[in-house]
Amino acid sequence: GEDVEQSLFLSVREGDSSVINCTYTDSSSTYLYWYKQEPGAGLQLLTYIFSNMDMKQDQRLTVLLNKKDKHLSLRIADTQTGDSAIYFCADGTGGFKTIFGAGTRLFVKA
Amino acid sequence: KAGVTQTPRYLIKTRGQQVTLSCSPISGHRSVSWYQQTPGQGLQFLFEYFSETQRNKGNFPGRFSGRQFSNSRSEMNVSTLELGDSALYLCASSVDGEKLFFGSGTQLSVL
Repeated sequence: GEDVEQSLFLSVREGDSSVINCTYTDSSSTYLYWYKQEPGAGLQLLTYIFSNMDMKQDQRLTVLLNKKDKHLSLRIADTQTGDSAIYFCADGTGGFKTIFGAGTRLFVKA
Repeated sequence: KAGVTQTPRYLIKTRGQQVTLSCSPISGHRSVSWYQQTPGQGLQFLFEYFSETQRNKGNFPGRFSGRQFSNSRSEMNVSTLELGDSALYLCASSVDGEKLFFGSGTQLSVL
C-alpha cells in the first residue's frame, strides 16, 4: 500500500539551511506536498511539486523530487527560530486520499 | 477569504457516548477530507467527500461516519466512543481533492 517515511527530528542553528527528507512508495502520485504544523494548530500547506517536475523554488523553500528513487526533500534557506515546527511530507495519491508521513520536528537553535 | 472552520474546538465525552464534529470549508471548495491525528499513529485518513458523495475512505471501523451537505459543509460522527478515539480531528477542504487546506481541528478527549 501507499506509505510515506521521513526522519523524526532535525536540529539546526539559526541562519543555517535545513534539509528534510522523505521517501514515498506510490507510483501514481500526482502531487507531493510539504505541510507545516505549529503547536495547537492545523496543518499549513507550505509548497507542493507536480510529479513530473524535478525542482521547485519558492522564496526560502526549495523542493527537490527524484522520481526514480521516490525521494522528496525540502530545503529551508536561512532557517529562523520561527521555522521551528513539525514538517509533514505528503503524497497526493490521485485517489482522493492524501497520505502523510509521521512528520519531522525541526528545532532551530538561536 | 475565510479559512476552514471546525467546531467545536474542544470536546470532552465519556466512553459509550457519540459525538458529531462540524466542518465548514473554504468558499468554493467542494471537497472535504477528514483526518485523525494522534501522537502514536500520526495523521490517519478517515474519508473524503465531494459534492455530497464519499469518494474514498480509510481503514476505520463503522463507528466513524461522515456526510456532506449541498453547501459543502461536512460533519463526522463517532458512535460508541472508546478511549482510543481521543485525538485531534482535522478537516481539510480543497477544490478537487488535491492541495488540502486544513482547519485548526477539534480536540476530542474521551474519559
